[in-house]
Amino acid sequence: KAGVTQTPRYLIKTRGQQVTLSCSPISGHRSVSWYQQTPGQGLQFLFEYFSETQRNKGNFPGRFSGRQFSNSRSEMNVSTLELGDSALYLCASSPSGRVETQYFGPGTRLLVL
Amino acid sequence: GESVGLHLPTLSVQEGDNSIINCAYSNSASDYFIWYKQESGKGPQFIIDIRSNMDKRQGQRVTVLLNKTVKHLSLQIAATQPGDSAVYFCAESSTSDYKLSFGAGTTVTVRA
Repeated sequence: KAGVTQTPRYLIKTRGQQVTLSCSPISGHRSVSWYQQTPGQGLQFLFEYFSETQRNKGNFPGRFSGRQFSNSRSEMNVSTLELGDSALYLCASSPSGRVETQYFGPGTRLLVL
Repeated sequence: GESVGLHLPTLSVQEGDNSIINCAYSNSASDYFIWYKQESGKGPQFIIDIRSNMDKRQGQRVTVLLNKTVKHLSLQIAATQPGDSAVYFCAESSTSDYKLSFGAGTTVTVRA
């Protein structure tokens, strides 16, 4: 069974631009969670989607948004990029959202210049 | 009070020795805890978990200890191998939640 895939793996943007990251969950998984990983703040929860509905949201500004499609694939968008948005963005999928069954993807490394 | 290990951001260990990685968690309501291993260029990989109704759980070469009184977790790795070199994170959650709260990681370096 294929694992969680994230595209692109690496991305360079400039301040003020927007970016869209994509996550394809493991086949059959209906929940997708997003996390931001930075050296200073560590791993922080962004949001979780299940069956196209956002069920939980972390403490991030409204510039960070996401959505989930009917095939469970998910995208997250960051608008008006800031230097501090440079991070590894991780996606995790699970059948129902229970953290016991979450599997992480390799992440998308975003660099904002 | 009870003595528990301090969280260290880095740990250097001789190959073949045992490693102990410590973590303090913050939420008294958390009832589920996981240890993850993250290698360079990869996402976190599940190692072992434990529920709050247990204080010890063993896996293959790994043991997790939970001390709810002082909100402390530890991961013990037996006979540490070069492949164990990575960043290790503890994470907490509750059964009513769908998110993980991660602790600060510990970078483990295994010396040959």
